[in-house]
Amino acid sequence: QSVLTQPPSISAAPGQKVTISCSGSSSNIGDNYVSWYQQFPGTVPKLLIYENNKRPSGIFDRFSGSKSGTSATLDITGLQTGDEADYYCVTWDSSLSAGVFGGGTKLTVL
Amino acid sequence: EVQLVESGGGLVQPGESLRLTCVASGFNIYSHWMTWVRQAPGKGLEWVANMKEDGSLINYAESVKGRFTISRDNGKSSLYLQMNSLRAEDTAVYYCVRVVAEDEGLGDWGQGTLVTVFS
Repeated sequence: QSVLTQPPSISAAPGQKVTISCSGSSSNIGDNYVSWYQQFPGTVPKLLIYENNKRPSGIFDRFSGSKSGTSATLDITGLQTGDEADYYCVTWDSSLSAGVFGGGTKLTVL
Repeated sequence: EVQLVESGGGLVQPGESLRLTCVASGFNIYSHWMTWVRQAPGKGLEWVANMKEDGSLINYAESVKGRFTISRDNGKSSLYLQMNSLRAEDTAVYYCVRVVAEDEGLGDWGQGTLVTVFS
């Protein structure tokens, strides 16, 4: 059972927008920045969003992040089949003094 | 170019120990928090431990506390994970990760090393 809650799966058609949610509590998301990662099968995770809404260089602006209270969201617009991957949120938990990941969301682009 | 290369994984029996090593290049390791993350086969990512730039602050996941020890040698650009009393549930690919942003913004990942604990 992950400290951060993500939907296990989500699907949408090419060209559409999808929102992946990450729900936590006051000791983690409510108190700290959230980052998001993309992982294709058999590959290493890649940082997509850090400090809630910042994109590393090289990440397309189709990917955006936001945070409100104890929840965070990753939006992906203009979906492409190449976006099919697992997506994870992560933050620091001030009560646990540990990093915490969401369980991951498998995105399918139909 | 930033590179993180892990080694030391392998097959062990429950109760045994392993030491993972991560050698960093392309950046100054002494300027960054470093983190270990693991991923069990077919499962999600799990945060394991992290260590401050100078080694003065260390944190562990509850699942490994008391069994795993993270350490670093900045002079050798290396991060370590000593894993004792290994259990079947520790079976995973272990990633060495450079922290690049606040609150575990995990910017650069190694390719990982596989640890298999079997009886």
